[in-house]
Amino acid sequence: GQNIDQPTEMTATEGAIVQINCTYQTSGFNGLFWYQQHAGEAPTFLSYNVLDGLEEKGRFSSFLSRSKGYSYLLLKELQMKDSASYLCAVRDKRGRRALTFGSGTRLQVQP
Amino acid sequence: ETGVTQSPTHLIKTRGQQVTLRCSSQSGHNTVSWYQQALGQGPQFIFQYYREEENGRGNFPPRFSGLQFPNYSSELNVNALELDDSALYLCASSLKEGELFFGEGSRLTVL
Repeated sequence: GQNIDQPTEMTATEGAIVQINCTYQTSGFNGLFWYQQHAGEAPTFLSYNVLDGLEEKGRFSSFLSRSKGYSYLLLKELQMKDSASYLCAVRDKRGRRALTFGSGTRLQVQP
Repeated sequence: ETGVTQSPTHLIKTRGQQVTLRCSSQSGHNTVSWYQQALGQGPQFIFQYYREEENGRGNFPPRFSGLQFPNYSSELNVNALELDDSALYLCASSLKEGELFFGEGSRLTVL
């Protein structure tokens, strides 16, 4: 089976940097995804890591360490519109493309 | 190129009834997955269809069933509705091992 842990809530200030951590346990790893979900909306894709290291995409970066079962999402230059839930998800090697999601981290950006 | 569309967006049912939710996948995507998202939780995998056949299923009872059609659109059927079935039902399409593209979801309330 798979288990994914991430903090329930975080608060940060506009313009600052925030790091959202995710730890996972899986029987076979085949990629880690981060999604953003605004209240009442569909999740939208942010990043994908399958190899160790940092993937950077504009203000958002995601890091993966497979040996530690650990990832983080880094958000720079926070904007009010970044207030949302951030979902960490892993895909295993059981031959299907389904993702197992964590419960999400609700980020509140304050002025 | 149209994205993933779902219908209906909202619906209310009573216990014991049956419901059918519909999804049109993104153009060219041959894989459709269905997820259930309870309030404050991450999406939970229900099942996945690839070229009209189910090729993966999560921990949901048999009263959750589905179909995929030759045009890759899909249906999710839930029989004998229970109060705990109240949730946002998300459809996602994908191509090969790529990211999932989610629809806006169908919010089901069971009274």
